[in-house]
Amino acid sequence: AQKVTQAQTEISVVEKEDVTLDCVYETRDTTYYLFWYKQPPSGELVFLIRRNSFDEQNEISGRYSWNFQKSTSSFNFTITASQVVDSAVYFCALSEWGNQGGKLIFGQGTELSVKP
Amino acid sequence: DAGVTQSPTHLIKTRGQQVTLRCSPKSGHDTVSWYQQALGQGPQFIFQYYEEEERQRGNFPDRFSGHQFPNYSSELNVNALLLGDSALYLCASSLSTFEAFFGQGTRLTVV
Repeated sequence: AQKVTQAQTEISVVEKEDVTLDCVYETRDTTYYLFWYKQPPSGELVFLIRRNSFDEQNEISGRYSWNFQKSTSSFNFTITASQVVDSAVYFCALSEWGNQGGKLIFGQGTELSVKP
Repeated sequence: DAGVTQSPTHLIKTRGQQVTLRCSPKSGHDTVSWYQQALGQGPQFIFQYYEEEERQRGNFPDRFSGHQFPNYSSELNVNALLLGDSALYLCASSLSTFEAFFGQGTRLTVV
């Protein structure tokens, strides 16, 4: 069965600190997609990144970076120099290959609070 | 270009009643998925509609049903509401199997 675990329920940091959100997944598939979404208080899930399971290259986008390690089934998300606007709930998700618009398996989410 | 829109934004229903939630997909999208997100939890997949047919279904009882119209908009119906059905219901649209975009959700409270 597919499963996504985000062990950190809540994280609180002070502005400008770096913070890493952990994500561990389980799947029997050899190819799949992994995602990160941000959910601000408004409720809408905002897409941040998608990775294909065969592409283990780390990715950086501005202050955001992602570390995908297939050997440990982890897909961690780091925010560098955090800002108050980064405060939100962050979800890691998994979907089957060839159907990234299909069923997404979400983790429980990590609530990030960035204080000024 | 309007994104995914859901209505209503908030709803209060009594236990045992029936409810219909609505979703208009992003322009050009033909696939709609529905998720239930209980407080403090991650979204759970309910089902997906494509070409007016249910293509995938999650682990939800038959009280949860849906429909997709020729213009790709969709409805989620829940019968015999239980207190445990209180949640944020999210709609996501996509172009076939490509990336999904989410709406802001409908907050359903069952009393």
